[in-house]
Amino acid sequence: QQQVKQSPQSLIVQKGGISIINCAYENTAFDYFPWYQQFPGKGPALLIAIRPDVSEKKEGRFTISFNKSAKQFSLHIMDSQPGDSATYFCAASNPHTGANNLFFGTGTRLTVIP
Amino acid sequence: DSGVTQTPKHLITATGQRVTLRCSPRSGDLSVYWYQQSLDQGLQFLIQYYNGEERAKGNILERFSAQQFPDLHSELNLSSLELGDSALYFCASSASDRANTEAFFGQGTRLTVV
Repeated sequence: QQQVKQSPQSLIVQKGGISIINCAYENTAFDYFPWYQQFPGKGPALLIAIRPDVSEKKEGRFTISFNKSAKQFSLHIMDSQPGDSATYFCAASNPHTGANNLFFGTGTRLTVIP
Repeated sequence: DSGVTQTPKHLITATGQRVTLRCSPRSGDLSVYWYQQSLDQGLQFLIQYYNGEERAKGNILERFSAQQFPDLHSELNLSSLELGDSALYFCASSASDRANTEAFFGQGTRLTVV
């Protein structure tokens, strides 16, 4: 059972456009929502993360929007660049389990066309 | 470079065999996590160790086992290998086991079972 659902599976955006990736979860105990970026042949790397006590977090061209009541969060990449072409994973963790392992979405393959 | 080192990078083995994957965490990190990434299942959490002790278990098969040694490096042992075990295996480390602690991923070991 996928605890974090992610869409779309793939996304093609023109250079300079906005890329939007959406995630949803059911477990209200999740307390930490990171986004990871993965390039081919590399491991995932943390891009940006948010906690549910804020509705938005922005770092450069990357913004997370968080809707606690809808149990949804999304990643917006402004002014998308070809170098942003990668696979993006949303994730969540439950601090009440005594561990902080991550539950990942299924990933979105982003292609930014020059 | 995340600072997490995984060896080997690639491994090809036959069904029924046993292999050991090795992970050296970032200097000072006490938590080590193992994840499996396959095309159909995405990134799945297998197991977490914290300072030598098992902290959490995910979707880890009974044929798989892991341990963390006093020098904090970890090994993932996969036995009685099946074709379906072919996947990328990632190790990640974090400074603590507290929630919201950033996890840093290695570059992975690509296992091919033939």
